[in-house]
Amino acid sequence: EAGVVQSPRYKIIEKKQPVAFWCNPISGHNTLYWYLQNLGQGPELLIRYENEEAVDDSQLPKDRFSAERLKGVDSTLKIQPAELGDSAVYLCASSPTGGTEAFFGQGTRLTVV
Amino acid sequence: AQTVTQSQPEMSVQEAETVTLSCTYDTSESDYYLFWYKQPPSRQMILVIRQEAYKQQNATENRFSVNFQKAAKSFSLKISDSQLGDAAMYFCAYRSNFGNEKLTFGTGTRLTIIP
Repeated sequence: EAGVVQSPRYKIIEKKQPVAFWCNPISGHNTLYWYLQNLGQGPELLIRYENEEAVDDSQLPKDRFSAERLKGVDSTLKIQPAELGDSAVYLCASSPTGGTEAFFGQGTRLTVV
Repeated sequence: AQTVTQSQPEMSVQEAETVTLSCTYDTSESDYYLFWYKQPPSRQMILVIRQEAYKQQNATENRFSVNFQKAAKSFSLKISDSQLGDAAMYFCAYRSNFGNEKLTFGTGTRLTIIP
């Protein structure tokens, strides 16, 4: 069974440019999470989806970040415009409804220069 | 709000020896899950072991076991017979047992295995 797939693995952009990350969760997993991991820190939740509905986006900086999960499967996280402080690893995870374990992708390392 | 604290930024252990990683947490809930995740340089978070708060018996998974002290809000990970492949960042995490709530992570412990 394929795991959570994220792309790209690495991205380098100049500040003020837009960037997008893509996540394909494990088939059948209704819950999808985006986490932000700063260097030397643990991941922190940005947004959680139940199917196509964002049920927890309280930590998403909505002035520059946006996310969507069309048809309740794949998800895209966008930053526009990117700032130097956005340099971090962006992790996607999924879990089945009622499941206790979250399965993570390999993340996207973003560097803003 | 729940918090998770890992007070050991770095730990090292001789290969084949035993090491214990510490974790404390704070919550007002009585029903929750605790996890230890491993993050190698590939960045993918891999579940090592989980503990359900209402279970008194400590979880074990092969060489990995936990010491869960609910009253003290302590959740340590013991790795026996350490192997070179165990080298990684280890994160302790908390999750409420109400739906697919978010994971709250600690700041991690970097484990080095000395050959």
